[in-house]
Amino acid sequence: AQTVTQSQPEMSVQEAETVTLSCTYDTSESDYYLFWYKQPPSRQMILVIRQEAYKQQNATENRFSVNFQKAAKSFSLKISDSQLGDAAMYFCAYVEGGSEKLVFGKGTKLTVNP
Amino acid sequence: SQTIHQWPATLVQPVGSPLSLECTVEGTSNPNLYWYRQAAGRGLQLLFYSVGIGQISSEVPQNLSASRPQDRQFILSSKKLLLSDSGFYLCAWRAGSYNEQFFGPGTRLTVL
Repeated sequence: AQTVTQSQPEMSVQEAETVTLSCTYDTSESDYYLFWYKQPPSRQMILVIRQEAYKQQNATENRFSVNFQKAAKSFSLKISDSQLGDAAMYFCAYVEGGSEKLVFGKGTKLTVNP
Repeated sequence: SQTIHQWPATLVQPVGSPLSLECTVEGTSNPNLYWYRQAAGRGLQLLFYSVGIGQISSEVPQNLSASRPQDRQFILSSKKLLLSDSGFYLCAWRAGSYNEQFFGPGTRLTVL
């Protein structure tokens, strides 16, 4: 079964600095998609960024970018110029192509210090 | 644009009482719909999904059931709640041609 591991239960960063959240996954499939979701204190899950496994280019969305290392099965999220509003739980997620089952990691709590 | 609604936002129920949580999606048709539960301090667990009206797939056998009476409506139910049913319930949808799921605001359920 596919698994997603986030090895950092908590991280902290100073406002305006850069932080990287780690995620590894285990799969034998070649067709899959990876996501980072943000869950602020309101608890609504918000999609931050997505990466298709077949794409070699790392996805970028404004201040958010990923480092996708397919061979290493690693999918880290980099947040640049951190803002107070970035404080949240961040979940890494995986779905196999054509599957309905989105598999989540246990999350990383990010604190942004002013 | 698409919008997903859940209600109620918060619910406190006694053990043994019934449950009905509702999720509706606006601005799209034929969405795939999902129910997740998030226990305190943990990730999300997929409970049910539906690819069409009346079509329900269960991922985890338990005290809950789901129904999809209309294209954009998804309901999570229980006949008798257990203490272990407490948690945060999230509904999600995705368009058939895409892989990312979009989540509703969630329902916080406390069973006493």
